[in-house]
Amino acid sequence: AQSVTQLDSQVPVFEEAPVELRCNYSSSVSVYLFWYVQYPNQGLQLLLKYLSGSTLVKGINGFEAEFNKSQTSFHLRKPSVHISDTAEYFCAVSDRVTNAGKSTFGDGTTLTVKP
Amino acid sequence: SQTIHQWPATLVQPVGSPLSLECTVEGTSNPNLYWYRQAAGRGLQLLFYSVGIGQISSEVPQNLSASRPQDRQFILSSKKLLLSDSGFYLCAGANGAQETQYFGPGTRLLVL
Repeated sequence: AQSVTQLDSQVPVFEEAPVELRCNYSSSVSVYLFWYVQYPNQGLQLLLKYLSGSTLVKGINGFEAEFNKSQTSFHLRKPSVHISDTAEYFCAVSDRVTNAGKSTFGDGTTLTVKP
Repeated sequence: SQTIHQWPATLVQPVGSPLSLECTVEGTSNPNLYWYRQAAGRGLQLLFYSVGIGQISSEVPQNLSASRPQDRQFILSSKKLLLSDSGFYLCAGANGAQETQYFGPGTRLLVL
């Protein structure tokens, strides 16, 4: 079984400030890790993913995330946010063992960037 | 990459009426396909997934069913809708556990 906890339901931040969205997970098997972004009334788009190798992963729109195995965390960061980054962000894990690729999603973090 | 098509974008249905939401995939073959429901302010709940034609796995007991009559077609159905079936339904496709899930634009269902 897998679970994902996004520690902050809402994160307000001013434009050009740095931001960190926190994600912890638990799983009885090895997992892949993902961050997705959802703009209002749309589907989700992939920001970045960790499969193996370097624990620092860079994604689109200037976002990056760091996989910490000992802390079972995969926090998302951006050094300077823009108004256009306002959206819902979801952390997800996918079971490595089966090929069904079932993903478990966190409840999401609403990032609001203020001018 | 693949493209996921879903329709309609919005649907208002009376309680007790049937439902059929269709999802089609473009740009890949033999994908894993998924139906999710997203309640307001919550994450995504996996409802069904399929690894091939006619192969459906249900994740939660509910009033809904799914079918995959063709490789790139995934249908979500109900014989009689309940108020609690209201929500935002997302279809997604992926080519394996390590692959990105590509999402459709979603269908907002309101059951009155």
